[in-house]
Amino acid sequence: NAGVTQTPKFQVLKTGQSMTLQCAQDMNHNSMYWYRQDPGMGLRLIYYSASEGTTDKGEVPNGYNVSRLNKREFSLRLESAAPSQTSVYFCASSRSGYTFGSGTRLTVV
Amino acid sequence: GQQVMQIPQYQHVQEGEDFTTYCNSSTTLSNIQWYKQRPGGHPVFLIQLVKSGEVKKQKRLTFQFGEAKKNSSLHITATQTTDVGTYFCAPPQGAGSYQLTFGKGTKLSVIP
Repeated sequence: NAGVTQTPKFQVLKTGQSMTLQCAQDMNHNSMYWYRQDPGMGLRLIYYSASEGTTDKGEVPNGYNVSRLNKREFSLRLESAAPSQTSVYFCASSRSGYTFGSGTRLTVV
Repeated sequence: GQQVMQIPQYQHVQEGEDFTTYCNSSTTLSNIQWYKQRPGGHPVFLIQLVKSGEVKKQKRLTFQFGEAKKNSSLHITATQTTDVGTYFCAPPQGAGSYQLTFGKGTKLSVIP
């Protein structure tokens, strides 16, 4: 019963570097989401995937891309990291209530 | 999408005191969910409210959904140090939407 697994847990990038955040769920959920959390801003939706094969932009998609590789996996890619992307990133999946992963703490210097 | 205002933003209580956080919307909500996030942790689903005037209890936690479905509250009776964290309300972004809009949360500190 792993739920939602995110990797890595911590990452430091230099401005301009790229990276992919991985997310996998084992609950057979159709819907998956990527959120970022910044102090005082709550959780903001970056991208979501309502089902395998579909992805849509959320509130703050600029600078990010996503891939719904299969029903289990939903990855988030930063092509050219910027300091403004320093944040905590959460992946979640849902049928009704969301199950969140433990997060990735990303620092861009 | 739906916008909700959560108040207060911060609350410090003495252990054993009660605590309430409120979530207010300018539009009618189809439902609302509540989450708790411990310091350094991830949000954890607590409950979903769907019906007008609904009241649900989980041990010392009482959740209410307003009659007009425009507001909701979470009340904790006799707080304990284990209640520390940030409580978020989250309605769907729009009618029929599965995407949630999270409020900014109420950060609860409990003084032992």
